[in-house]
Amino acid sequence: DIQMTQSPSSLSASVGDRVTITCRASQSISSYLNWYQQKPGKAPKLLIYAASSLQSGVPSRFSGSGSGTDFTLTISSLQPEDFATYYCQQSYSTAVTFGPGTKVDIK
Amino acid sequence: EVQLVESGGGLVKPGGSLRLSCAASGFTFSSYSMNWVRQAPGKGLEWVSSISSSSSYIYYADSVKGRFTISRDNAKNSLYLQMNSLRAEDTAVYYCARRWLLAGMPAFDPWGQGTLVTVSS
Repeated sequence: DIQMTQSPSSLSASVGDRVTITCRASQSISSYLNWYQQKPGKAPKLLIYAASSLQSGVPSRFSGSGSGTDFTLTISSLQPEDFATYYCQQSYSTAVTFGPGTKVDIK
Repeated sequence: EVQLVESGGGLVKPGGSLRLSCAASGFTFSSYSMNWVRQAPGKGLEWVSSISSSSSYIYYADSVKGRFTISRDNAKNSLYLQMNSLRAEDTAVYYCARRWLLAGMPAFDPWGQGTLVTVSS
């Protein structure tokens, strides 16, 4: 299986901050990388697909980049509704795998 | 509105069985592969199983292979997960999710609200 790692595992930030989360795959996955946001008690929500494409309805302050093994999710100006846990997911293999998550909370 | 609604969760004893259902609406269910993903309390997301649109291709995570069976009924717009020989480590919220090709690459969207399975004596 393809292993996914994320860093940091958690971070504290203030409204308006620029936030960057990193995701790394154990082997090259081209651009088969998605990002999800999950709030407590809710289902995950797709934010970014194919490494850098913004899902319909997702605010433009979210962006993704990377290819191969290294990927980044950036929130350009953190808003109160963005405090959540973020997961990357590789869909290169049939057995998709998720990163362990990055929890973003209020400083 | 595209919607997925899971049901069938509950409390079951170790070694017991449970069948989860996922009702789909708002899209042509028979055209999409579907997945089950679970999340243990306070933990991350774990893919469980997937099934192609016509049930021709079925895959399982090693952790559930031989114990869980995924199936679907396209006439009823429904996805199922039969879980046998349940263990304490199967305790989790189980989500169904549609596999959608975006820019030619798979992503899961949308997800259902989840159903909680608790395995305990």
